[in-house]
Amino acid sequence: EAQVTQNPRYLITVTGKKLTVTCSQNMNHEYMSWYRQDPGLGLRQIYYSMNVEVTDKGDVPEGYKVSRKEKRNFPLILESPSPNQTSLYFCASSLFPAGDTQYFGPGTRLTVL
Amino acid sequence: QKEVEQNSGPLSVPEGAIASLNCTYSDRGSQSFFWYRQYSGKSPELIMSIYSNGDKEDGRFTAQLNKASQYVSLLIRDSQPSDSATYLCAPSRSNDYKLSFGAGTTVTVRA
Repeated sequence: EAQVTQNPRYLITVTGKKLTVTCSQNMNHEYMSWYRQDPGLGLRQIYYSMNVEVTDKGDVPEGYKVSRKEKRNFPLILESPSPNQTSLYFCASSLFPAGDTQYFGPGTRLTVL
Repeated sequence: QKEVEQNSGPLSVPEGAIASLNCTYSDRGSQSFFWYRQYSGKSPELIMSIYSNGDKEDGRFTAQLNKASQYVSLLIRDSQPSDSATYLCAPSRSNDYKLSFGAGTTVTVRA
């Protein structure tokens, strides 16, 4: 089954404790991206990757890191989480860049205390 | 200034009625336009895409695009309770890597 998976689905952590949210897709997509969704603000792009070892900032990259060492995986790293990073996070992939259907993972609800 | 504006909602419609969702965008270079549906607690899923001016129909859904007015809309005919969700508008340039979404319009179909 073609899908995008994310782990963990739910995470409660404390300020400053490094965490990684994994994202994996099995569709051989070149383009992957991370979004956060907050009430009233919609989906905002954090980082995106055009291919292996090629990443760039989206609209809200502060406080986040990413890496793309393999085509299928695109982890999101919060090295020192803060309460303002409490949000719902989605990973997405597509065969081509932004002008193509985005396939979303199930989401990760993160709470930073 | 927001790049993508949607009617804020929530939009409440009776079952069987037409729900009309509007979206305006600021980037005149946008070429591809997507409507995603997001059920509460779930991830967005694509329901419609449109690339040319005019109307595009898919079942009970019709997307309308007017590039001159920088306006795209989604009509849901014969609304059903299963249409109750938040609808996200996403215009983009085909050769761009950044993607912007509107904040979404929440639709509630009441029986």
